[in-house]
Amino acid sequence: TQLLEQSPQFLSIQEGENLTVYCNSSSVFSSLQWYRQEPGEGPVLLVTVVTGGEVKKLKRLTFQFGDARKDSSLHITAAQPGDTGLYLCAGVGGAQKLVFGQGTRLTINP
Amino acid sequence: GAGVSQSPRYKVAKRGQDVALRCDPISGHVSLFWYQQALGQGPEFLTYFQNEAQLDKSGLPSDRFFAERPEGSVSTLKIQRTQQEDSAVYLCASSFGARGNQPQHFGDGTRLSIL
Repeated sequence: TQLLEQSPQFLSIQEGENLTVYCNSSSVFSSLQWYRQEPGEGPVLLVTVVTGGEVKKLKRLTFQFGDARKDSSLHITAAQPGDTGLYLCAGVGGAQKLVFGQGTRLTINP
Repeated sequence: GAGVSQSPRYKVAKRGQDVALRCDPISGHVSLFWYQQALGQGPEFLTYFQNEAQLDKSGLPSDRFFAERPEGSVSTLKIQRTQQEDSAVYLCASSFGARGNQPQHFGDGTRLSIL
């Protein structure tokens, strides 16, 4: 069974601070996706990382895929209140289905 | 419509009743997925369709759960003899192709509460 563990599960920081969210597994994934979910809405895809060691940037968000394709991280620089939300990592294994982590609930305080 | 549409948005049922949840995927999307999201958790895979064929139903928790997509478009997730542990948000997602790594577009879910 493929499992993804996210840490931390909860994070509350002040506006302007930096943060990193981690997504770890003992399994290899063909790719890994990061989603953001707002209350009452479905997850929205932020990025897909495919190659081991790959780094992708989306404005103040930096995503990295581990060399062995088992882990990933999301780094946010100068966090803003608009970044508040539930961040989910999801691994794409051999099949079509996504294996999600339990999520990181991020709160940015003004 | 432009996105994945799910109905109803909210459903309250008494324990033991049957419920049916509907998903309208993005037009032309081949793949359709159902996920279950418990409160405070990430979504968990239930089942996957490629057109009308149900290729993976390994995540369905019990034989009380049944999904169909008879014409390869709209899908229905049915839960028979509901139990309190079935309370969750049920998410539907669709993707354009049949290969992995393709973006899945999620609906806003149906929040199911079993009393």
